[in-house]
Amino acid sequence: AQRVTQPEKLLSVFKGAPVELKCNYSYSGSPELFWYVQYSRQRLQLLLRHISRESIKGFTADLNKGETSFHLKKPFAQEEDSAMYYCALSFGNEKLTFGTGTRLTIIP
Amino acid sequence: EAGVAQSPRYKIIEKRQSVAFWCNPISGHATLYWYQQILGQGPKLLIQFQNNGVVDDSQLPKDRFSAERLKGVDSTLKIQPAKLEDSAVYLCASSLEFSQQYYEQYFGPGTRLTVT
Repeated sequence: AQRVTQPEKLLSVFKGAPVELKCNYSYSGSPELFWYVQYSRQRLQLLLRHISRESIKGFTADLNKGETSFHLKKPFAQEEDSAMYYCALSFGNEKLTFGTGTRLTIIP
Repeated sequence: EAGVAQSPRYKIIEKRQSVAFWCNPISGHATLYWYQQILGQGPKLLIQFQNNGVVDDSQLPKDRFSAERLKGVDSTLKIQPAKLEDSAVYLCASSLEFSQQYYEQYFGPGTRLTVT
């Protein structure tokens, strides 16, 4: 069965420092990977997906099939990055399997 | 465009009572999803509709949960009777359509259910 693991429930980073949120997955096929974000008092929303290879709000994520990882990175953290981040996996039919999430706090 | 609407936003009931949640997706979105998010966990898909037909309800506890999407637009999710472990946020999401190509899911604000 497909599974998404986010090993860190909480992550605190100083403003201006690099950020890395870890995500590992288990799936035998070729999944699509996503990062969703939920800012305080806002809705869950898509941040980025691996297939589009974009940088959104300074965040990037590279799919590493060998390590089955899809870590989210940003070189310089900003205070507005504080939020709950979910890694998610989809296989073919749009069904999303979410990880348990990482709460990122940026320390001013 | 208007986002996904859900009501009520909060609900407190006693165990063994029944409750219903309503969702209005983004206009033109054919696919509608209901997720359950228990505190400290990620959202878990309960049921997926394509228009008014069910695509996936494999994780829906059918002995107590039911959902419908009449006319392929609005949807209701019902729990009867509720258990303490049903306390969670119930999220509704919609996307353009169901196909091999992934269409972004847009989430509603959720309904926070507390069962006492």
